[in-house]
Formats: sequence, structure tokens, C-alpha cells
Amino acid sequence: DAGITQSPRYKITETGRQVTLMCHQTWSHSYMFWYRQDLGHGLRLIYYSAAADITDKGEVSDGYVVSRSKTENFPLTLESATRSQTSVYFCASSKRRGKGEYGYTFGSGTRLTVV
Amino acid sequence: GQQVMQIPQYQHVQEGEDFTTYCNSSTTLSNIQWYKQRPGGHPVFLIQLVKSGEVKKQKRLTFQFGEAKKNSSLHITATQTTDVGTYFCALDESNFGNEKLTFGTGTRLTIIP
Repeated sequence: DAGITQSPRYKITETGRQVTLMCHQTWSHSYMFWYRQDLGHGLRLIYYSAAADITDKGEVSDGYVVSRSKTENFPLTLESATRSQTSVYFCASSKRRGKGEYGYTFGSGTRLTVV
Repeated sequence: GQQVMQIPQYQHVQEGEDFTTYCNSSTTLSNIQWYKQRPGGHPVFLIQLVKSGEVKKQKRLTFQFGEAKKNSSLHITATQTTDVGTYFCALDESNFGNEKLTFGTGTRLTIIP
């Protein structure tokens, strides 16, 4: 889906380094989300945001930081990368509830390897 | 949040056979959504079910929401190779003040041509 883009697609980083994953959407969707996907765990929520300057933790937020100064951008930062954070990261967005169906639209993902 | 189990975890079928995956929640849901993820791809929204007992169809795919709004199923009739992928249910518990979706563990479907 061209309306939500993630960058980079692939990233290799060293343990202890800070790394930021970018997410940009063009629909002005209120909600944005970060998930990680690992074998055997499905999709697990890291952080979500209901609007600009409103963020909240998901089930696996330790070691991650987010910001949302603008509606269209929702970067995810790993403050000090660890090997356990090797994963595929998906950003998603959705309309505000009450606006008909509000299924998530996912980006293409970022495959992050921490060595 | 609750752990959402989908069954089966894996399913291998001959092309042309039917396929069903089930999703169960421990709580009553506001609605349930289904997603498909092709190998190497990202999850794609398929449908949202809202009403108790609701049944929706998309060509060969039939989606059902349980009467108690605690379970759902996805049935594919006469599978084709294009159906390969992992199917996820996603639970919306927003009636309880939770604005997030909780994704199931997924069912991976492979097709034997």
C-alpha cells in the first residue's frame, strides 16, 4: 500500500547502538501502531498512538521509544539495541473508531538484525 | 492482554480442498477482524465482523462471528494456490476501554498443487 511507508526495509546494527525505524502515512489516519513479528509469537504490539502527541505502551514496550509530533509520522527508536530485538517490525495505521470499518493498513515492514 | 489462540497452527491441504481456521477469545468482543499475510509480505485487512452471529462472504471465503461474540471462523472453499499464507484474527475489546487490536497466533496455510 503506497499510503504507508516504512524505512529502511532492512537494517543490520550492532548491540548497544541506537536505531530508529521510520513510518509515514499519507491518509491522516488518527491511529498508528508498531508491532513486531517473531516466529511463534505472531504480532505483538510495541506502542500505539491515538493522535499526534498521544502515545501509549503495548505489551512489549521495554527498550523502545516512540514520538508523534505530526499525524503522519510515527518513528520507533531502539535506545540500545539487543539481540532479542532482532525481528520484523511493522507499522500500521487506522481510521478513528466510528468511521465505518477501521481495519489496519500495514506497511511493508523493516527486517532488523542486531549482531 | 489475553493470548489469542487460533487453531490449527498449521494446515496443509491439497488444492481444491476446503480449509477452516478458528479463533477463540476469553472475553466478549466488540468486533473481530481477519487479516491475511502472504509469505514475505505484510498483513492485509480482509474483513470486520461486528454483529452477533454475523456471516459474511467474500467469493470463496466465509467469515462467521459466534452468537456470544467470543469466537470466529474463516472458511475457504476449494482452496487455490493464491490462498497460501498466514491468516490472523484480531480481537477488538474496545467495550472494555481497550483501543487496540490483539492479534491471534495465526494459522499458516500451505497448498499442495
